[in-house]
Amino acid sequence: AQSVTQLGSHVSVSEGALVLLRCNYSSSVPPYLFWYVQYPNQGLQLLLKYTSAATLVKGINGFEAEFKKSETSFHLTKPSAHMSDAAEYFCAVSEDTGGFKTIFGAGTRLFVKA
Amino acid sequence: ETGVTQSPTHLIKTRGQQVTLRCSSQSGHNTVSWYQQALGQGPQFIFQYYREEENGRGNFPPRFSGLQFPNYSSELNVNALELDDSALYLCASSFRVGSGSYNEQFFGPGTRLTVL
Repeated sequence: AQSVTQLGSHVSVSEGALVLLRCNYSSSVPPYLFWYVQYPNQGLQLLLKYTSAATLVKGINGFEAEFKKSETSFHLTKPSAHMSDAAEYFCAVSEDTGGFKTIFGAGTRLFVKA
Repeated sequence: ETGVTQSPTHLIKTRGQQVTLRCSSQSGHNTVSWYQQALGQGPQFIFQYYREEENGRGNFPPRFSGLQFPNYSSELNVNALELDDSALYLCASSFRVGSGSYNEQFFGPGTRLTVL
């Protein structure tokens, strides 16, 4: 069965500092992995996705994530935080079971300090 | 190309009532999934519809039901509302060709349901 664990419900960084949001997954088959961002009172926006191609995935807004099968991890990073990055971030895993049921983590709230 | 739209934006119901939420898929998409996002939590998969048939279901009771129409718009119906049903309900559409290929989901802005 699929599951996602996001380490840290809240992460606070200074503007310009490295952003690191942690995600570990469990999947019985090669998974598809995603990071989504959600701004207040809005839906989900896809940041990036891993679909069994390159293990280092680059997304929008300068974010990237690395798929590490041995560690079952898919951590999200950004070299330099911007105030506009403050939002809720969700890691998700999806398996092809005829359809794609997507399981989300509980989310990590990113705070960016000036 | 229009994105995924949902209506209404906000809704207030009382316990025991029934509610219908609507979703209009992105043009050309044949698959829709519904998610419940309680406050402070990640979205929880409710069910998915593909070509008008339910194609997977999460751990939600039968009082959560859905429909997908020939134009691929969709409804989520919830009967006998409970206080814990208060949440943001998200729909996501995708175009599925067949199994074994990844199909990116596009999310709507959600409907905020409050049950009093």
